[in-house]
Amino acid sequence: QQQVKQSPQSLIVQKGGISIINCAYENTAFDYFPWYQQFPGKGPALLIAIRPDVSEKKEGRFTISFNKSAKQFSLHIMDSQPGDSATYFCAAGLSGSARQLTFGSGTQLTVLP
Amino acid sequence: DTEVTQTPKHLVMGMTNKKSLKCEQHMGHRAMYWYKQKAKKPPELMFVYSYEKLSINESVPSRFSPECPNSSLLNLHLHALQPEDSALYLCASSRGQFNTEAFFGQGTRLTVV
Repeated sequence: QQQVKQSPQSLIVQKGGISIINCAYENTAFDYFPWYQQFPGKGPALLIAIRPDVSEKKEGRFTISFNKSAKQFSLHIMDSQPGDSATYFCAAGLSGSARQLTFGSGTQLTVLP
Repeated sequence: DTEVTQTPKHLVMGMTNKKSLKCEQHMGHRAMYWYKQKAKKPPELMFVYSYEKLSINESVPSRFSPECPNSSLLNLHLHALQPEDSALYLCASSRGQFNTEAFFGQGTRLTVV
């Protein structure tokens, strides 16, 4: 019930291309869906987040698409840059739960110059 | 200021040593967290503090001892660790323990020899 499945495990994209990472969740009570970006040796940084009352949220080159009925959400990185090369984690949160976030397994993104 | 500061950045300790990890935030957040992250894996929740009181201990071995001296500080005392405890230890904070927007520190890279 608490699992969040993330795919793909790794992704290689050419500079300027679109990177797409997908996540699926099971617990319909989740009400907060963030994406974190993590560079090697650094802590995860909150990139963008969405709540289930909207289907899409865009911040710069980063867009979250959310499909409540399918229990899926995805991160789209437009015009991908080599500096975007990092590990991306999706997560799902449950307001009212002190356990905070359930993380996906992570996607290692490499953007080739 | 959305910064969570962790010290030290790197730590090497022997199995008989006692050491402490420190975390500080000045965002007025009242919930603080310790996570453990192994290579290529998502963060795993260890402890949750809410209003300086331990709220959740995710069955962490007693060789890890958390402490929250005040609302801005969080420590993790380490004693008699094992090599398998080597990992990136992350501190995070949020407005409250039921608020899902979490901000992570840079982490302490711990190596147990």
